[in-house]
Amino acid sequence: SQQGEEDPQALSIQEGENATMNCSYKTSINNLQWYRQNSGRGLVHLILIRSNEREKHSGRLRVTLDTSKKSSSLLITASRAADTASYFCARANAGGTSYGKLTFGQGTILTVHP
Amino acid sequence: NAGVMQNPRHLVRRRGQEARLRCSPMKGHSHVYWYRQLPEEGLKFMVYLQKENIIDESGMPKERFSAEFPKEGPSILRIQQVVRGDSAAYFCASSPPRAGVHQETQYFGPGTRLLVL
Repeated sequence: SQQGEEDPQALSIQEGENATMNCSYKTSINNLQWYRQNSGRGLVHLILIRSNEREKHSGRLRVTLDTSKKSSSLLITASRAADTASYFCARANAGGTSYGKLTFGQGTILTVHP
Repeated sequence: NAGVMQNPRHLVRRRGQEARLRCSPMKGHSHVYWYRQLPEEGLKFMVYLQKENIIDESGMPKERFSAEFPKEGPSILRIQQVVRGDSAAYFCASSPPRAGVHQETQYFGPGTRLLVL
């Protein structure tokens, strides 16, 4: 599949624990973006990491990108019940007619128990 | 600064009717994207438009679906003669004019949930 994989499909943790979600892909990318979606709602942009970057931070979020392994990870530290949501990685593929569109993974459903 | 706006938020149609979904991008954004999300799945790209131009429609079904982004007014995704399989959430996203070769963040609207009876 051109979309790649996200794992785990579902993750259940306690408040205060860290949550790590992974995303793998198959084609070259310009950038990779992580989004959050609460049930029945729209998507909220979290972080964009470019192909020449290896790590980015935003508050409790840390994203890494390994282009040699074609993989990315999203780490949420000190999780809260409000972090409960689905998390998607989306790849902006490099060049050609792919320019402009994002290719989404299937997502990871994160549940944080109080 | 209002975010991406979509309306209606929910739309119910009977088989064979037409569905028109509207999207107003964020102020200053000239790029609009439409995505479809089936239950329990990620988003699938449909079409990418700039004002008065379709840039990439590789994700659009060949029949019944069309999209436009006129010089004035919102972007419209139009589905003719809807079928039950069209039931999904349709999301619009917008982004600002590109800075060089870098692609910018896409900001998503709340979506339109289409139910075909």
